[in-house]
Amino acid sequence: ETGVTQSPTHLIKTRGQQVTLRCSSQSGHNTVSWYQQALGQGPQFIFQYYREEENGRGNFPPRFSGLQFPNYSSELNVNALELDDSALYLCASSLDVARGTDTQYFGPGTRLTVL
Amino acid sequence: AQKVTQAQTEISVVEKEDVTLDCVYETRDTTYYLFWYKQPPSGELVFLIRRNSFDEQNEISGRYSWNFQKSTSSFNFTITASQVVDSAVYFCALSATGAGSYQLTFGKGTKLSVIP
Repeated sequence: ETGVTQSPTHLIKTRGQQVTLRCSSQSGHNTVSWYQQALGQGPQFIFQYYREEENGRGNFPPRFSGLQFPNYSSELNVNALELDDSALYLCASSLDVARGTDTQYFGPGTRLTVL
Repeated sequence: AQKVTQAQTEISVVEKEDVTLDCVYETRDTTYYLFWYKQPPSGELVFLIRRNSFDEQNEISGRYSWNFQKSTSSFNFTITASQVVDSAVYFCALSATGAGSYQLTFGKGTKLSVIP
């Protein structure tokens, strides 16, 4: 158990809808990263939040957006869902990205299916 | 840009056999970190090990051992006396100081099946 929690566990949406996924980081961790894992692939970095500011973004369109709250929990929002957005979405927390050496610990993920 | 290659897509071994998972990485950064994660069928990525680029000392932890060689840009993982519970997808990952976010770049994973 890493102490990183995600909700919901599973989600089914239709194309064009919007979705919000949530993540609570491990106690004491101020950095949250989000990854998308398509079936049979390795996770792909979406973006990272550090002390409530976006701190790096992968190759994902602007319809993928996020937030980090004062308690360091985070949300991932996806607008105008497409079929290819169907994937496992993983949240990872780390102690402090400014240290540069911290391991990222992952939550159980949210399985999103877009029909 | 960072890149991680796991050439082995799937491996099957009989219980108690030793198995080595290969990982080759590419980065222009001189300081970087390498990781192995395990993903059982439940989906959660479980952290196994982290190595720094300036520390090539190999490590053994119980039945697990890691062989880091900068000269060949490889970071291989060996499970000794494999068990059924080792069945999972194993990911090698890289993070480098060139990107301030220290994002992880993953390989495509190696699916290990341990047959009783």
